[in-house]
Amino acid sequence: QKEVEQNSGPLSVPEGAIASLNCTYSDRGSQSFFWYRQYSGKSPELIMFIYSNGDKEDGRFTAQLNKASQYVSLLIRDSQPSDSATYLCAVNPISGGYQKVTFGIGTKLQVIP
Amino acid sequence: GAVVSQHPSRVICKSGTSVKIECRSLDFQATTMFWYRQFPKQSLMLMATSNEGSKATYEQGVEKDKFLINHASLTLSTLTVTSAHPEDSSFYICSARTGTSYEQFFGPGTRLTVL
Repeated sequence: QKEVEQNSGPLSVPEGAIASLNCTYSDRGSQSFFWYRQYSGKSPELIMFIYSNGDKEDGRFTAQLNKASQYVSLLIRDSQPSDSATYLCAVNPISGGYQKVTFGIGTKLQVIP
Repeated sequence: GAVVSQHPSRVICKSGTSVKIECRSLDFQATTMFWYRQFPKQSLMLMATSNEGSKATYEQGVEKDKFLINHASLTLSTLTVTSAHPEDSSFYICSARTGTSYEQFFGPGTRLTVL
């Protein structure tokens, strides 16, 4: 079982719709969860992080965390063509002894104008 | 804030040569820096973690004698790919974090092509 699992997509949504990106993780003791956006040929940029169960909203983005289900998601409201990118879920596992982060393969999002 | 730079952004070298990549945190002190490698259409793979003033911790399967990492100051880490071969061609990305947060801030990456 992979430590961090994501559907590679592509996920296609029409402009203005809500895009829902999902991620599951295997280490139940994981403490920190991150969503990064990566445009083709570029390095990742941090969109949001979440530490506690529940929802965290920042503008058009909402991160949702359910530790009991080992599930974290990212909702993008009013999707724009500029949101088209690969979204990487990253998890800070409790194991390892240092603050490394494990990345999922990423979900490619396509927002159709 | 939280800007990380990398140099060079792109490098082409001949097989057998060594290449050094620099990673700098410009506006904060990075207690920990990470080096990743990303092949096309694949996820980021952590190569090693370096803490300022101590030896890097390498992930399983990463040759420490081939990928030399130095983290001599709180704002600079270097990755040297020694005796590069075509299979080392990849996108190398560093990231940095402070000691007080979990977030990692990424550099823009270095695209290495070994001929």
